[in-house]
Amino acid sequence: DSGVTQTPKHLITATGQRVTLRCSPRSGDLSVYWYQQSLDQGLQFLIQYYNGEERAKGNILERFSAQQFPDLHSELNLSSLELGDSALYFCASSVGRGVVETQYFGPGTRLLVL
Amino acid sequence: ILNVEQSPQSLHVQEGDSTNFTCSFPSSNFYALHWYRWETAKSPEALFVMTLNGDEKKKGRISATLNTKEGYSYLYIKGSQPEDSATYLCAFPSGTYKYIFGTGTRLKVLA
Repeated sequence: DSGVTQTPKHLITATGQRVTLRCSPRSGDLSVYWYQQSLDQGLQFLIQYYNGEERAKGNILERFSAQQFPDLHSELNLSSLELGDSALYFCASSVGRGVVETQYFGPGTRLLVL
Repeated sequence: ILNVEQSPQSLHVQEGDSTNFTCSFPSSNFYALHWYRWETAKSPEALFVMTLNGDEKKKGRISATLNTKEGYSYLYIKGSQPEDSATYLCAFPSGTYKYIFGTGTRLKVLA
């Protein structure tokens, strides 16, 4: 158990809908990262937040947005969902914001868009 | 477009064999290289963060080396055990702090 929690574990929804994925980092960690694992692609970095501020942005679609709250939990919002958004979404956390920080991954949220 | 490549894609070894795989990354603007172990139905687990050319890190029977000048890192497993079966991923943070992952090496250790 990494200490990172994600809810929900599974989510089934329809095309065009909007969902929110939630992540609570390990106690004391200030950075949160979001990743997407699709069937036909490797692990893709979406976005990083550090202490409430956006730190780095990867290949995140405009239909997706994220934020980190004062209590450091983070939410990833996916809107106008398409079939291709079906994937495993991981959140990870680290103490600091630098690229040498060890990242601890949560168990993931599996999203299925029908 | 920055590319991170891992080879081989998959590997089957017998219990007790030693094995190694490669992660290749752009040699310019190097900041760090991360290795992860990812077991089926679980989440990626950090193994090493490599930062300096010539770095060698070890965790039990697993070790890793780094060559930033030529842009590669090796992961070694000594005396493979069935519980080592997993996908081993490397990740390269680019200059804009975007993490680029390789597609992984899938290791299966046969008892």
